[in-house]
Amino acid sequence: DAKTTQPTSMDCAEGRAANLPCNHSTISGNEYVYWYRQIHSQGPQYIIHGLKNNETNEMASLIITEDRKSSTLILPHATLRDTAVYYCSPAGSNYKLTFGKGTLLTVNP
Amino acid sequence: GAVVSQHPSWVICKSGTSVKIECRSLDFQATTMFWYRQFPKQSLMLMATSNEGSKATYEQGVEKDKFLINHASLTLSTLTVTSAHPEDSSFYICSARLQGFSNQPQHFGDGTRLSIL
Repeated sequence: DAKTTQPTSMDCAEGRAANLPCNHSTISGNEYVYWYRQIHSQGPQYIIHGLKNNETNEMASLIITEDRKSSTLILPHATLRDTAVYYCSPAGSNYKLTFGKGTLLTVNP
Repeated sequence: GAVVSQHPSWVICKSGTSVKIECRSLDFQATTMFWYRQFPKQSLMLMATSNEGSKATYEQGVEKDKFLINHASLTLSTLTVTSAHPEDSSFYICSARLQGFSNQPQHFGDGTRLSIL
């Protein structure tokens, strides 16, 4: 299974864009990149996923590099409720996610 | 859509007791459900993959006789922690995938906090 590297923590001002990077240099050709977030004492919440094209939904945008070795999750206008641990994980046909340590995003007022 | 419900949210019981946790997909059918465990200040660790109508596939190091998984229908999977001991105290979380659609994400329940005294 592909491994991921994410910054341990990041800070962002409320209302500004939060850009969270993830390195997944060993990703396989058939693996998608999934992003989740976890607020303390809750189950992870699905955010977005993609294969090679950039994706956008009501929560976030996902930018995947051309070589697919890294991606960036963008929260365009961060709010205090976006404070959470963010995880990226490649997953292929077995749909198994691998959760690393994630990035603790703290949105400050 | 894609709501996953777990029950109970909290359970406290004595050592040696067996505890059953239910995971239901409320508005979709799930061919595959997953069970995770999360210790304090650590990440989620996959315990097993549960496919409807067949035996669960356990990750390395997870005792299948201690953590019994049943996936009898497309909307319900159960995890039974048998003869639980204090070291089994943890946050147990399930997830489910939408049946029949490739690359659909897992949707997670809100977890069950298990405390063994």
